[in-house]
Amino acid sequence: DIQMTQSPSSLSASVGDRVTITCRASQSISSYLNWYQQKPGKAPKLLIYAASSLQSGVPSRFSGSGSGTDFTLTISSLQPEDFATYYCQQSYSIPFTFGPGTKVDIK
Amino acid sequence: EVQLVQSGAEVKKPGESLKISCKGSGYNFNNYWIVWVRQMPGKGLEWMGIIYPDDSDTKYSPSFQGQVTISADKSITTAYLQWNSLKASDTAMYYCARTKENTIFGVVRWNWFDPWGQGTLVTVSS
Repeated sequence: DIQMTQSPSSLSASVGDRVTITCRASQSISSYLNWYQQKPGKAPKLLIYAASSLQSGVPSRFSGSGSGTDFTLTISSLQPEDFATYYCQQSYSIPFTFGPGTKVDIK
Repeated sequence: EVQLVQSGAEVKKPGESLKISCKGSGYNFNNYWIVWVRQMPGKGLEWMGIIYPDDSDTKYSPSFQGQVTISADKSITTAYLQWNSLKASDTAMYYCARTKENTIFGVVRWNWFDPWGQGTLVTVSS
């Protein structure tokens, strides 16, 4: 199975800050890496697919990069509605696996 | 609008059986796979398994193989997740989501999960 790790596990940031979350796969997954945002009590929402493609309707302050084993989710200017938990997920092979999540909260 | 709508919250006792549902609309249900994902209280996301409604081809995570059954009825565009004997440790939120398979040079790869159902909370308590 492909193991996914994320760092940091949590971070505190202020509105307007640039935030970067890292995801690492235990083996190369090419660009089969997706990012989801989950707010408390809500279903996960797709933000970025195929490592760097922005899902329709998602604000352009979100961006993704990377390939192989190392990936990054960047929020260029954190907004109040962005405080949430973020998960990466590999869709390279079954069993699909998620990272443990990164909780972004208010400083 | 592409949508997955899940059945409502359930409260069950240990040992009871349960079947929850996920109804797709707004797209050709037979052309996409449905995945099931578990989220235990305060924890992360765990992929449980996947089904192709057109022929009911099903694959399970090793962690969930034998613990649950995934099925689908394409005539009513609905996928199911079923337990024969619930345990307290099955208490969780369960999500369904849609994905697609891609075969590139004979190798199977997969798309992202989108959209997601709203979730079904299953509580198992004596």
